[in-house]
Amino acid sequence: TAGITQAPTSQILAAGRSMTLRCTQDMRHNAMYWYRQDLGLGLRLIHYSNTAGTTGKGEVPDGYSVSRANTDDFPLTLASAVPSQTSVYFCASSPGTVGSGELFFGEGSRLTVL
Amino acid sequence: GQNIDQPTEMTATEGAIVQINCTYQTSGFNGLFWYQQHAGEAPTFLSYNVLDGLEEKGRFSSFLSRSKGYSYLLLKELQMKDSASYLCAVRDSNYQLIWGAGTKLIIKP
Repeated sequence: TAGITQAPTSQILAAGRSMTLRCTQDMRHNAMYWYRQDLGLGLRLIHYSNTAGTTGKGEVPDGYSVSRANTDDFPLTLASAVPSQTSVYFCASSPGTVGSGELFFGEGSRLTVL
Repeated sequence: GQNIDQPTEMTATEGAIVQINCTYQTSGFNGLFWYQQHAGEAPTFLSYNVLDGLEEKGRFSSFLSRSKGYSYLLLKELQMKDSASYLCAVRDSNYQLIWGAGTKLIIKP
């Protein structure tokens, strides 16, 4: 079973370029999330979505945007990348509403902005 | 502010027992989670505590004391495959997850 699929696995990006990280789930979960993970810090929530058509801002939303056109897909876009956005990005989902139940994570997308 | 504290790194011996502590200060409490994350991989769910006491699941157990803002994850009969980072996360009164930085556990033969 696939669960959550993220793409690309890794990417090197020039500063100022735009980038979309893709996330697809096949579990029909309502809630989806984007986190970034940096060395020495806990996972930080960027954006979340309770259901298709709705999104919300997390702890560190600046410089990122998301959309939720359907249940399965939750892409994360960096409009104009900066070096501080170098990180590992994890997409996650959970059944029910945001904050309920355990999270299921994708394998992560490692992004380097030069 | 909200804060989750865990040791940065621990070392233990194969076959032994190790206890990973987590202390928290959050705006309210609606449950505590432990996740395991192998290097270069996704975090995976291990356990959930919302009431005080011990939850046992095979070789892994998790304890919670809400009055002390404290939890621990106990790993018994350590195996080399248990080498990983262990993440503590608390769900606050707004149902937001607050994450600790994780404890890297190194198992030596």
